Amino acid sequence: NAGVMQNPRHLVRRRGQEARLRCSPMKGHSHVYWYRQLPEEGLKFMVYLQKENIIDESGMPKERFSAEFPKEGPSILRIQQVVRGDSAAYFCASSPGNRGSDTQYFGPGTRLTVL
Amino acid sequence: AQSVAQPEDQVNVAEGNPLTVKCTYSVSGNPYLFWYVQYPNRGLQFLLKYITGDNLVKGSYGFEAEFNKSQTSFHLKKPSALVSDSALYFCAVRGQILTGGGNKLTFGTGTQLKVEL
Repeated sequence: NAGVMQNPRHLVRRRGQEARLRCSPMKGHSHVYWYRQLPEEGLKFMVYLQKENIIDESGMPKERFSAEFPKEGPSILRIQQVVRGDSAAYFCASSPGNRGSDTQYFGPGTRLTVL
Repeated sequence: AQSVAQPEDQVNVAEGNPLTVKCTYSVSGNPYLFWYVQYPNRGLQFLLKYITGDNLVKGSYGFEAEFNKSQTSFHLKKPSALVSDSALYFCAVRGQILTGGGNKLTFGTGTQLKVEL
């Protein structure tokens, strides 16, 4: 059973470009979460999605960031007009349900570097 | 609001000795508590979780954690450390949805464990 898949693993962008990060949840999981890890910090929640629905985006910056989880295909985290402060590791997690006790399983992350 | 504190940035232990990585939490209602481990340039691997019941939870790779409600702590332990246990360890909490905990995990800042020969 494949785990959570993320691609690309490493992404380099110049300031002002767009970054698209992809996440395929574990088989059978319909709940996806995105977290950001800044250097020397813990993970910070960004957004929680189910298929075709954004459930909680309370951790998402108001501008330039968006996320989707379409009916078919992976979840996408999109960052428009990237700035150097967006450089971080972005992790996707998935869970089988949305109960508090459900374990979130994490992907290997995408490391975004903004030049 | 929920929060997690990991008071030690780094813990050094000799191989074969017991290890403890500390975690305290704050959350409304009963907590769901998790430990994850992160190896360099890798994602987080799930180690164990506390939901309810027995205060001593056993997890992967010989790790266990003790839930203490009165001290709001969930310390990670292992009776005999291995060099291969050296990694970054994160404690996380998730509150009950009905008490506003939502679906997100709130993480501590992490504790770097270094096990030496």
